[in-house]
Amino acid sequence: SAVISQKPSRDICQRGTSLTIQCQVDSQVTMMFWYRQQPGQSLTLIATANQGSEATYESGFVIDKFPISRPNLTFSTLTVSNMSPEDSSIYLCSVDRLAGANEQFFGPGTRLTVL
Amino acid sequence: AQSVAQPEDQVNVAEGNPLTVKCTYSVSGNPYLFWYVQYPNRGLQFLLKYITGDNLVKGSYGFEAEFNKSQTSFHLKKPSALVSDSALYFCAVRDHNNAGNMLTFGGGTRLMVKP
Repeated sequence: SAVISQKPSRDICQRGTSLTIQCQVDSQVTMMFWYRQQPGQSLTLIATANQGSEATYESGFVIDKFPISRPNLTFSTLTVSNMSPEDSSIYLCSVDRLAGANEQFFGPGTRLTVL
Repeated sequence: AQSVAQPEDQVNVAEGNPLTVKCTYSVSGNPYLFWYVQYPNRGLQFLLKYITGDNLVKGSYGFEAEFNKSQTSFHLKKPSALVSDSALYFCAVRDHNNAGNMLTFGGGTRLMVKP
């Protein structure tokens, strides 16, 4: 299985600021995903990030609020911009179809609290 | 559109007793089905999957799940629960006839195993 790391693991931020979350995978992967898990909720897909192309955002998520970079096949970043308390969530990155597997592998998550 | 339902927000079971966490799904094509577990302050860990073949699949930590096509269900089971099994469990589905289709997660079920 893939080893996926995220930085930071948690952060407390002030309203109106931005935070960039990093996701590093120990193998080259085509597709990387960013999810949000609000307190007590299930996972919601924010966007899909493929290397060399613009990220594809799900309904309700926009690039200005959640810009994503995917500079190579092992790394991606998600920025949460102009944060408000409603952005307090766990943000998870995941990878897909690694070595022919059908399951997605998830990073440990970044717990964000916005004051 | 594909969907997953986990009808129980919480399941309580005594240690040593069998446990079942329910999941039903809806997908237009043939399903790939998955169970993930999330321990406190951790990311999602893959437990098991059904792709094709035997309807009873075995996974990590002694868990198993049975695919029932007629009932569109994929319930998670374990013969003897441990206190350490207490966690949040997510069922997920993907339509494997649509290669670009993403995972859809259920709302999650919190399993509480009491000594």
